[in-house]
Amino acid sequence: EPEVTQTPSHQVTQMGQEVILRCVPISNHLYFYWYRQILGQKVEFLVSFYNNEISEKSEIFDDQFSVERPDGSNFTLKIRSTKLEDSAMYFCASKRRETGNTIYFGEGSWLTVV
Amino acid sequence: ELKVEQNPLFLSMQEGKNYTIYCNYSTTSDRLYWYRQDPGKSLESLFVLLSNGAVKQEGRLMASLDTKARLSTLHITAAVHDLSATYFCAVDQNRDDKIIFGKGTRLHILP
Repeated sequence: EPEVTQTPSHQVTQMGQEVILRCVPISNHLYFYWYRQILGQKVEFLVSFYNNEISEKSEIFDDQFSVERPDGSNFTLKIRSTKLEDSAMYFCASKRRETGNTIYFGEGSWLTVV
Repeated sequence: ELKVEQNPLFLSMQEGKNYTIYCNYSTTSDRLYWYRQDPGKSLESLFVLLSNGAVKQEGRLMASLDTKARLSTLHITAAVHDLSATYFCAVDQNRDDKIIFGKGTRLHILP
């Protein structure tokens, strides 16, 4: 069964460093998302991406965050200057075009900022 | 702004018992999703409910949607230990494609 794949599975970084989290969505999917989950808390929406541009972003997704789909298969989330509070599990997700279809989540990238 | 409320947030129950998790949401929507998350793992899709009155069942889990009441339920029948996990409901606002999650219900089933 096709799946969303994410790398790295775990990254430890120093505060102020740049981090790039990578995702390969399911191949025939057109909508892409990043969500995050701080340990033990709920899953929070960060950004949605469609047709090579951001379609919506949350208040969490400030100027330190950016997304890119550089080569038609990868979908990346960049955090320019990490803060301690960015420590969380980051989930990439994708879905097909039709509204109401299941959104499939990757295994997550656990980011620890020290 | 769409708000999604789940209750209870934590549920400890014995094997063999039945219980229901509730999910309320604040704005009009006719699309609701249930996910399961094991500790440290990803979100596994359980059900997608796409219309008022929709009911879906898989094994010991059954989900339903009442869009007029803005309420979905996830019913567990004769619980077994393997169902221990956190269960999230999520709602798709009609006007865009993101889904908003509830806080999750952490289900612990005692043998």
